[in-house]
Formats: sequence, C-alpha cells, structure tokens
Amino acid sequence: GESVGLHLPTLSVQEGDNSIINCAYSNSASDYFIWYKQESGKGPQFIIDIRSNMDKRQGQRVTVLLNKTVKHLSLQIAATQPGDSAVYFCAENIAAGNKLTFGGGTRVLVKP
Amino acid sequence: GAVVSQHPSRVICKSGTSVKIECRSLDFQATTMFWYRQFPKQSLMLMATSNEGSKATYEQGVEKDKFLINHASLTLSTLTVTSAHPEDSSFYICSASGEGGVYEQYFGPGTRLTVT
Repeated sequence: GESVGLHLPTLSVQEGDNSIINCAYSNSASDYFIWYKQESGKGPQFIIDIRSNMDKRQGQRVTVLLNKTVKHLSLQIAATQPGDSAVYFCAENIAAGNKLTFGGGTRVLVKP
Repeated sequence: GAVVSQHPSRVICKSGTSVKIECRSLDFQATTMFWYRQFPKQSLMLMATSNEGSKATYEQGVEKDKFLINHASLTLSTLTVTSAHPEDSSFYICSASGEGGVYEQYFGPGTRLTVT
C-alpha cells in the first residue's frame, strides 16, 4: 500500500450513496489481502478478505475487487451509513511471509 | 469471532521509566502474536512477530533491547517499552493468530501510551 504520511486522504460521501476506497499494493508476490475498518481509538476491525486466486468477493454491503495486473485493490460499500465513518486500511500478505503490511489508509466521512 | 484483549487501554508514564503492555487471546490458543505501532493519522507498522516459546522476530529499525517482547504462553504476550521517551508515545496494537496464521489474525483494541 501507499504511505501518505500525516495526512490521510479523505472520502466524503452522502449517506445512502456508494463508497469506493482504493488501494495500490507494490508486491506482486502478495497472495492475500484484507480490508480493515478502524474507528478512533480502537483496533482494526476485519471487513472482508480476498485471496489472489480471486478477483471479486462480496460480503454484506461490501465488495472487494482485486486487479492483479495493475496491483490494485478496492473496497466498495453499498448504501453508506453514518456508522461507516472510519479510517479504512488495506493490508497484504506476501506469500510465505505470514505477516501483514498495511496501506496508508483512507478516512471516510459520511454526511447525513 | 475470536477475542483479543489488551491491558492497559491507556497508560501515562514518565520519561525514563518502563511500561508493560499485555495482549491476551481470550478464547483461542495464539501460536503467533504480532505487535504494531500506530502514530496519529498514520498506518499500522509491524514492530515484531512472536511465536510462543521462541524469541521474537523484530522488523528492521525496531530496537529489540528497547521493545522487549515475551510470549510465554499460548494466550499471553507482553510488550515492555524500556526507558520510554516522549517519541515512544503511540498507539500500540497487538494481534493474535492460531493455526491459520496470517489468514486468521485477530486484533486487540490497542493501548495508548503517553510518555511525559
């Protein structure tokens, strides 16, 4: 993922609209990807994961898309709700590394 | 889902003192525990990986003599920040995994450390 230093990119979205959060990863050997949600002062909360042998996976209101050709991962949240306001991180595991590398994060602000 | 706890949730200590943070897996046996540090508005950075009964593996740039990690049981890992300085103030987060390894990793709620 990309490091963005002290300023998290922010996505403002109207309540009820769909959100798309993007993540670029750098290692073509990464075989497993996870999206986490982190609320202020709390630990990361698992949202959805995908393995490199897939290009799409759906959960409840969330969809993860993986494009290995351009090393890009996205999280789509349908009908965004105020409770979705948080910072979202992608994380990748490099095959056989057994440890996660986190991306820089995106703050999602849901406007009522 | 599996539950991982951390204690304390917040701690304030004076510069030069040491502080210990506990990470517990409450309902599963954690063969591996991970310690992360997160500065404000930044991402999680892995500090070290510990396997029960073995020495921790530290990431590049993390001082093993300053950040002491003990993983003495399958349910408990501790991180001790020795001779803490204000620049060590951060949010420390642990995660634990069982036999599933990285594919089954559960995060704790984090510990906010403030060094004055």
